[in-house]
This record gives sequence, structure tokens and C-alpha cells, in this order.
Amino acid sequence: EAQVTQNPRYLITVTGKKLTVTCSQNMNHEYMSWYRQDPGLGLRQIYYSMNVEVTDKGDVPEGYKVSRKEKRNFPLILESPSPNQTSLYFCASSLSKTSGNTDTQYFGPGTRLTVL
Amino acid sequence: GQQLNQSPQSMFIQEGEDVSMNCTSSSIFNTWLWYKQDPGEGPVLLIALYKAGELTSNGRLTAQFGITRKDSFLNISASIPSDVGIYFCAGQKYNFNKFYFGSGTKLNVKP
Repeated sequence: EAQVTQNPRYLITVTGKKLTVTCSQNMNHEYMSWYRQDPGLGLRQIYYSMNVEVTDKGDVPEGYKVSRKEKRNFPLILESPSPNQTSLYFCASSLSKTSGNTDTQYFGPGTRLTVL
Repeated sequence: GQQLNQSPQSMFIQEGEDVSMNCTSSSIFNTWLWYKQDPGEGPVLLIALYKAGELTSNGRLTAQFGITRKDSFLNISASIPSDVGIYFCAGQKYNFNKFYFGSGTKLNVKP
């Protein structure tokens, strides 16, 4: 089954304790992305990756890191989480078309993070 | 920061009614997308629009890419209870890499 998986689904942590949220897709997609969803703000893009070893900042990258060592995995790293990073996080992936048109972006189930 | 203005924020309608929601921006977008999010799940793509003026349907859903490239609307005809959810517009600019989302329209349908 084609899917994007995220782990953990729920996480409560404390300020300053490094954490990683994993994202994996089994569709051989080049493009992967992380978003955070906050009430009244919709989804905001944190980082995206066009392919292995190619990552770039989205709209709200501050306080986050990513890596893309393999095509299927795109972990989100919070080196020193703060309460304002409490949010619902989504990973997504899609094929990148040479024409530039967007292919369907598949979203993971979400990770609800609370930073105390 | 937020670049897409989506309205209305929420709607309460009766089953069978038609629904319309829209998204506007001060920037030009090359692609407009409409997503639906059910509770506890990630957004699912409903319709993708690639050309200014394009009108595309997907069952009871119809969406249009505004001529100015700065707006888009989504219509749902003859709403049913399973239409309940949050609908998001999203846009991509020329480089096709970044996505910008609206704040969402929460749709409630009374049976």
C-alpha cells in the first residue's frame, strides 16, 4: 500500500530536549516536505527536499533541521524544542515532474507535538 | 508569512445545499490546489489547477483558477454529510517547489 508514515504520532516533551520525528514513504517519490498546522493558520511549510541531499527552507524553518540521506526518509529534527513549536506536524511526498506541474502530494497521518 | 486569504472560515449548511469557498492572494501563483482534511488525518488532494481560467470538476466539486492568477474558488454542489471537514486552498509559485496554504474553511453539514 502506497503511504507516508510518521513516527511518533504523539509526543510530549520538555523545552530543550532534542527530538526527531521520522517520515518515510514507499512510493519512490523525489519530493518530500514538512508542514506544521496551527489553528487559524492552515499549513505552513517548514522544509522541503527535491531529492537526496537536496533540501531547502520553506516558510517557517527557524528552529528546525532536516536531512535527506535516502530517498525514502526525511526526518525532522528539533535540536532545542520550545513551547512555540507545539503543533501538529505533517510530512508529505510527491513525484517531481520535469514539466514543473505538481503531482499529487500524499500526506502522512500527522504528529502531534507538545513542548512543555 | 501567510500569503493566501481563504474565506469563509467556517460554514454551517443543510444537506443538499451548494457551497462556495474562495482563496485570494496579493501574489501570482502558477498552480492552485484544493485539499480536504478529515479529523485526525492529513489533507487529501481534491482538485489541481494549472492554467489561468481553468475550470475543473471532480464529481460534485468544481474549482476554478482565476484569470488574474491571484484567486481560486471551490464549489460543492448538493452537499452530503460526508463533505464535513476542513478544506484548504494551496498555491505554488513559479519555482514549483514551495507550497503556501490558506487557513482553511471548516464545513459542517446538517443531515
